[in-house]
Amino acid sequence: GIQVEQSPPDLILQEGANSTLRCNFSDSVNNLQWFHQNPWGQLINLFYIPSGTKQNGRLSATTVATERYSLLYISSSQTTDSGVYFCVGLLGAAGNKLTFGGGTRVLVKP
Amino acid sequence: DTGVSQNPRHKITKRGQNVTFRCDPISEHNRLYWYRQTLGQGPEFLTYFQNEAQLEKSRLLSDRFSAERPKGSFSTLEIQRTEQGDSAMYLCASNLPDSHGEKLFFGSGTQLSVL
Repeated sequence: GIQVEQSPPDLILQEGANSTLRCNFSDSVNNLQWFHQNPWGQLINLFYIPSGTKQNGRLSATTVATERYSLLYISSSQTTDSGVYFCVGLLGAAGNKLTFGGGTRVLVKP
Repeated sequence: DTGVSQNPRHKITKRGQNVTFRCDPISEHNRLYWYRQTLGQGPEFLTYFQNEAQLEKSRLLSDRFSAERPKGSFSTLEIQRTEQGDSAMYLCASNLPDSHGEKLFFGSGTQLSVL
């Protein structure tokens, strides 16, 4: 079954809009991280956020590990925010096999 | 430090040939990971090293695949007798777990096309 579920799968935004991406886990989760994969394929680590809330510029993330979900907030979106956003975590007793979600594909239109 | 480096950036090969990819992690990182990503999917875990020890392998890693990290620094991933289904982006990542956590850093990947 699905272990890391991301929603929505696709998101189209007008430049300047805000949005929230969600990641749900089917098991207890550790070492939760959010990545942005740009159109050239490079994966950039946005947040290491096993719990709590962090902010970095226009982006912020919140993880509630006890409820097995994490949220990524994008505020005042820009065209450079386009790409795929992945959440990644260690599930249950999965050793060090960091598991990716299916991603949320974001397109920010000018 | 220039980050995680992967070579080659692209590789085109004929079915049945062997290919080898190289990954140079961030120098002080003791953990190194290989992932595979196909179009429209998230990366899938292949294998993981701590220093020179290969500690975990996915069942995706068939006996045609072998990975090494002989001195605990760079790593190689070899695919023997390539098949068209091996076409994918092969990604390497590294980290150094410490009191601040286990933030993972990825290279740019090697795009493999098997004809």
